[in-house]
Amino acid sequence: DGQMLESGGGLVQPGGSLRLSCSVSGFTFTAYLMTWVRQVPGKGLEWVSTIRGIDDGTYYADSVKGRFTISRDRSRRTLYLQMNSLRAEDSAVYYCVRKSGHFDLWGQGTLVAVSS
Amino acid sequence: EVVMTQSPTPLAASPGERAALSCRASQSVGRSLAWYQQKPGQAPRVLIYDASIRATGIPARFSGSGSGTEFTLTISSLQSEDFALYFCQQYSKWPLTFGEGTKVEI
Repeated sequence: DGQMLESGGGLVQPGGSLRLSCSVSGFTFTAYLMTWVRQVPGKGLEWVSTIRGIDDGTYYADSVKGRFTISRDRSRRTLYLQMNSLRAEDSAVYYCVRKSGHFDLWGQGTLVAVSS
Repeated sequence: EVVMTQSPTPLAASPGERAALSCRASQSVGRSLAWYQQKPGQAPRVLIYDASIRATGIPARFSGSGSGTEFTLTISSLQSEDFALYFCQQYSKWPLTFGEGTKVEI
């Protein structure tokens, strides 16, 4: 059915940058809208950003608009999330998610901690 | 933004009991509603999509109903592995939004 494996999380200072990666296998990468969803441990889920398969059109939550950039590399079958101007409130587990209407396939997540 | 409100939270129940989880949308989302289950240390997994369709491999004791603004996830007979956190999510309108979750606990 497919697998997704996130990487790139870690500890970063406020104002810093981080790039998350999600390596995809087992399905046609470009046939789906790919998404990042985040979750503060023990709290709820927040949709962050989505990229369309057909034309790479993008969508962003207001909380990250202008700071985060979603992109994909078809040849590497990899989804990215470039995160700039990071804030403490961006600290969360970031999940790479496949979207076919609903979110039908989730990665295991990568933890981002923004702290001085 | 469509605000999703879940109730009750938490939901205390016993194995074998029936559980009904509610999700209300602040405006109509048609049937573009999914339910997810999350256990500690794990990613969420989809249980129900399009309001009432069980995802592949999901036991028949899980069922979904509703449309518009009112939705229900029913677990007909709680098993020990069902004690977890449940989220609803609408995918009718951007931004995509989740409810805050209902914890089903013993």
